[in-house]
Amino acid sequence: AQTVTQSQPEMSVQEAETVTLSCTYDTSESDYYLFWYKQPPSRQMILVIRQEAYKQQNATENRFSVNFQKAAKSFSLKISDSQLGDAAMYFCAYRRDTGNQFYFGTGTSLTVIP
Amino acid sequence: EAGVAQSPRYKIIEKRQSVAFWCNPISGHATLYWYQQILGQGPKLLIQFQNNGVVDDSQLPKDRFSAERLKGVDSTLKIQPAKLEDSAVYLCASSLEGGTDEQFFGPGTRLTVL
Repeated sequence: AQTVTQSQPEMSVQEAETVTLSCTYDTSESDYYLFWYKQPPSRQMILVIRQEAYKQQNATENRFSVNFQKAAKSFSLKISDSQLGDAAMYFCAYRRDTGNQFYFGTGTSLTVIP
Repeated sequence: EAGVAQSPRYKIIEKRQSVAFWCNPISGHATLYWYQQILGQGPKLLIQFQNNGVVDDSQLPKDRFSAERLKGVDSTLKIQPAKLEDSAVYLCASSLEGGTDEQFFGPGTRLTVL
């Protein structure tokens, strides 16, 4: 079974600074998709960024970027120029190329310090 | 465009009682998901519908949980009878199709079983 591990239950960052959230996963598949979701205190989950495993180029969405290391099965999220609105739970998720299951990690709670 | 709607937002029941949750997905979204999110954990998929058919219910405890999506739009998730360990947030999400289409999440229903 696929597992997703987020080893940092809590992280904090100064406003305007950069923070990196870690995620590792376990799979025997070669094709799959990886996601970072943000869950603010209002609880509505929002997709932050998506990475296809067959793409070598790291995905980027404005201030959010990933460092995808396929051989190491690592998928970290970098948030640049952190803003107060970035404070939330961040979940890493994995999905096989075929099948329907999304596997979520346990989350990292990010605090942004003014 | 309206987001995914869920009701109720909060529910407190005693063990062995029954409870039902309702979800209205984004208009035109064929795929609907129900997740269970226990405190401190990531969401776990319970069931996925494609239109009004079940695509995946492998992690649904079928002895007590049931779900339906009549007419391929709204969906209800029922627990009968509830156990203490069912205390969680129940998230509904929808996507245009299945696969890796972005999932849009509702605000969730927080269930407390006493």
